[in-house]
Amino acid sequence: GAVVSQHPSRVICKSGTSVKIECRSLDFQATTMFWYRQFPKKSLMLMATSNEGSKATYEQGVEKDKFLINHASLTLSTLTVTSAHPEDSSFYICSAGTGGGFYGYTFGSGTRLTVV
Amino acid sequence: GENVEQHPSTLSVQEGDSAVIKCTYSDSASNYFPWYKQELGKRPQLIIDIRSNVGEKKDQRIAVTLNKTAKHFSLHITETQPEDSAVYFCAASSNNAGKSTFGDGTTLTVKP
Repeated sequence: GAVVSQHPSRVICKSGTSVKIECRSLDFQATTMFWYRQFPKKSLMLMATSNEGSKATYEQGVEKDKFLINHASLTLSTLTVTSAHPEDSSFYICSAGTGGGFYGYTFGSGTRLTVV
Repeated sequence: GENVEQHPSTLSVQEGDSAVIKCTYSDSASNYFPWYKQELGKRPQLIIDIRSNVGEKKDQRIAVTLNKTAKHFSLHITETQPEDSAVYFCAASSNNAGKSTFGDGTTLTVKP
C-alpha cells in the first residue's frame, strides 16, 4: 500500500531558528501533498496544499512567508518553519495522494515540533 | 468552503456495545467521506471511507452510512473492544478540491 515517510519525528529548536520537515511518498508519485497542523486534543487544521512543480496554496490565516512549502518532485514536499516561535510548537502532519480526494490520502507519521 | 461538524466530542461505551459517531457537512460538492482513527501520539489511519454514489459500506465491525440529501454521514462500530479506544475523525472532500476538511474528532473510550 501507499507509504508516506515524514522526518524528523521530533525536533526541538530555539526561537528564531528555522526547521525543515520532509514528507516523502515512498512507493507512489504524489502529485498533491497536504500539510496539516494539529494542536493537542484538537482536530487537523489544513495549512496548505502542495502541488508538484507549482506554488503551494495556503489556507486563510496561514502565513506563507513563515511556513515555506516546496514540492520539487513527485515524491518529496518540504515544510520549513522560519523564525520559529514557541507558539509554532505543534504536531505537523503531511498527507499525500495522487490527486483528488477520491481515494483518500495517506498520512505521514507526523513531526512534533517544540520551540524553546 | 466546507464545514464539517462532528458529534459527540466524547463517547464512552462498555465493551461489546455499539458506538455511533455522526458528522454533517455543508458543501454539496463533497463526494468522498473518509473516517480516520488516531491513537495517542500516532498518525491518523484511514479505517473506512464512502463515496457519494453509495449509501452504506461495511467492513467487519465497522460501517459507514451516508445521507446525501441531509448532508450527514455516520460511523458505526459494533461489538466494541478496548483497542477501539482512540480519537476518530470524519472528513469530507471533493474530487475538484482534493483537500479534506476534518471534523473536530470524537474521543471514544471502550471500557472493559
